[in-house]
Order: sequence, then C-alpha cells, then structure tokens
Amino acid sequence: KQEVTQIPAALSVPEGENLVLNCSFTDSAIYNLQWFRQDPGKGLTSLLLIQSSQREQTSGRLNASLDKSSGRSTLYIAASQPGDSATYLCAVRGNTPLVFGKGTRLSVIA
Amino acid sequence: EAQVTQNPRYLITVTGKKLTVTCSQNMNHEYMSWYRQDPGLGLRQIYYSMNVEVTDKGDVPEGYKVSRKEKRNFPLILESPSPNQTSLYFCASSPGLASYDTQYFGPGTRLSVL
Repeated sequence: KQEVTQIPAALSVPEGENLVLNCSFTDSAIYNLQWFRQDPGKGLTSLLLIQSSQREQTSGRLNASLDKSSGRSTLYIAASQPGDSATYLCAVRGNTPLVFGKGTRLSVIA
Repeated sequence: EAQVTQNPRYLITVTGKKLTVTCSQNMNHEYMSWYRQDPGLGLRQIYYSMNVEVTDKGDVPEGYKVSRKEKRNFPLILESPSPNQTSLYFCASSPGLASYDTQYFGPGTRLSVL
C-alpha cells in the first residue's frame, strides 16, 4: 500500500529565505505527483503536477523535482514571502487514486 | 469561472439524522471524488466516480453513500451520521485519470455530528 511522508511537519523561516520541502513515497509505480497548498479553513490549490516521465516542473518561484526511482520529491520555494505561509501537501497517484502526505506547515516571518 | 462548489460549507447535526452534502463542478470533468481530512490522519478518500453511474469505494467508505446521476454532480450522503464522522470534507474533480490531469478541489464542508 502506498505511503507518503512529508518532512518536516512544520517549518518557520524568515522572509527572503530559499527553502525546500520534502516528500517521500514507498511505491515508485506512480502516474504523477502533485503539490498542493492549503490555507487555514480553505480548500486545496494545485501548485505543480509532475508526470512520472518528468523530472521537474517550475511555476514562478516554485520548482518541484521528482526522483521516481528513489521515491522522492522536493518543492523548492525561492525568496519566500509571508504570503507563502500555508500547509503544503504532496500527493501521489498510482493505480489507486491520490494518496496524500500529512503536509508541511510553513510559516514565513516578516 | 471554473470551479468545484460544495454545500453547505458548515453543518452541525445530531447523531442519526440523514444528511446530504452536495458537490458540483462546471468543467465537464469525468472523475470526481470525496475526501475527509482529520488532524493527524491527513486526507483520505471516501468514494470516487469515473463517470456517470460509475462509483467505487476509496479508503474509508463505511457510513457513506454516493451517487452520480449527472456528470456535474456528486453528492455525499450520510444515512445515519455518527460523531466519528465529524470532519472536514472535500470534493474534487479532474478531467480524467491521465498522468497530466490535475485535481481541482472544492472549498470544503466542515461537519460536526453531536
């Protein structure tokens, strides 16, 4: 059964820092991996989707990488801003529907 | 605006009183699903639907029912709610299950069962 782990569970950084969030999964037979953002009391917003054949995707200050063979993905956030404060969720899809990690709660301090 | 809508957004009810949470998408998506989110457990899938009249169980289907009579709607039914169903519920949709298909989530329904 697929298991997704996100480390760290919480992270606090000063504004302007570059940071990396980690996601690992146990079954490398995936179709894609998605990173989502969740604000308190709100729904999930898709940030990036990496197909299993891809190595990375970029959107603005965000860059996500995928190493399927080692079961790892990272989300890199450049020049962090207070508005980046949220919970970031990683989810993988294989033969079964999406399996989520428990998230990393990010606080960016001005 | 392309979106997934859920109603109600907040609901307090009592044990045993049947309720329905509606979900609707305006993107002509084939795939729809329901998740619940609980502290320490993360998001877990309840049911999903590949298309009209095609539904299947997710990881935690006990105590829930769904139907997919129209492509745009996917209601979640709790026939006899219990306190352990107190949770934050999300509906999601995607065009299909291709490797490039992104999932779009609704705003969530916070349910309390007393």
